[in-house]
Amino acid sequence: GQQLNQSPQSMFIQEGEDVSMNCTSSSIFNTWLWYKQDPGEGPVLLIALYKAGELTSNGRLTAQFGITRKDSFLNISASIPSDVGIYFCAGPGNNNDMRFGAGTRLTVKP
Amino acid sequence: KAGVTQTPRYLIKTRGQQVTLSCSPISGHRSVSWYQQTPGQGLQFLFEYFSETQRNKGNFPGRFSGRQFSNSRSEMNVSTLELGDSALYLCASARVPIYGYTFGSGTRLTVV
Repeated sequence: GQQLNQSPQSMFIQEGEDVSMNCTSSSIFNTWLWYKQDPGEGPVLLIALYKAGELTSNGRLTAQFGITRKDSFLNISASIPSDVGIYFCAGPGNNNDMRFGAGTRLTVKP
Repeated sequence: KAGVTQTPRYLIKTRGQQVTLSCSPISGHRSVSWYQQTPGQGLQFLFEYFSETQRNKGNFPGRFSGRQFSNSRSEMNVSTLELGDSALYLCASARVPIYGYTFGSGTRLTVV
């Protein structure tokens, strides 16, 4: 099936640093979604991408839809402690079921 | 506007029992999906309902079932609980799924 591979699995960074994570698939996706999950809560949608090459920002977050439609990137600039959490990429599978990557766990040290 | 509400938040059950989890979607959202989240497996898709019909089903055994009511509220049921069913069960609703789901806070199920 269509699997989403996220990397890195985890990141430990210093407050103020920039962060970059990505998501790849062996299959083409027509939509890429990025979510963040805080401890004890459900994931929250951060950014949605619908066109190859699309670059979208949401505050300090920027995400890009790869040209090949098989990858997407999420960047966080000037990280702060509240950026801590698990970041998931997601996209609709062949049956329109929403598939999620395994997540990137981000830790920000003050 | 009210978000996605899941009840209960926490549940402890014994192996062999059955459990029913409830989800109230955002008003106007007719698509409801359920996910199982475990530390080792991430978010695994269980099923999606739209207008009381199951549209998609993930790769889970028949012990996992669900339904959706005419008011879009949904329930999922797990019968003959196993220790491995311990997980956070997340419900999500959407008006149009490709525009993104809104998740509830989940029900944490512990099977002992």
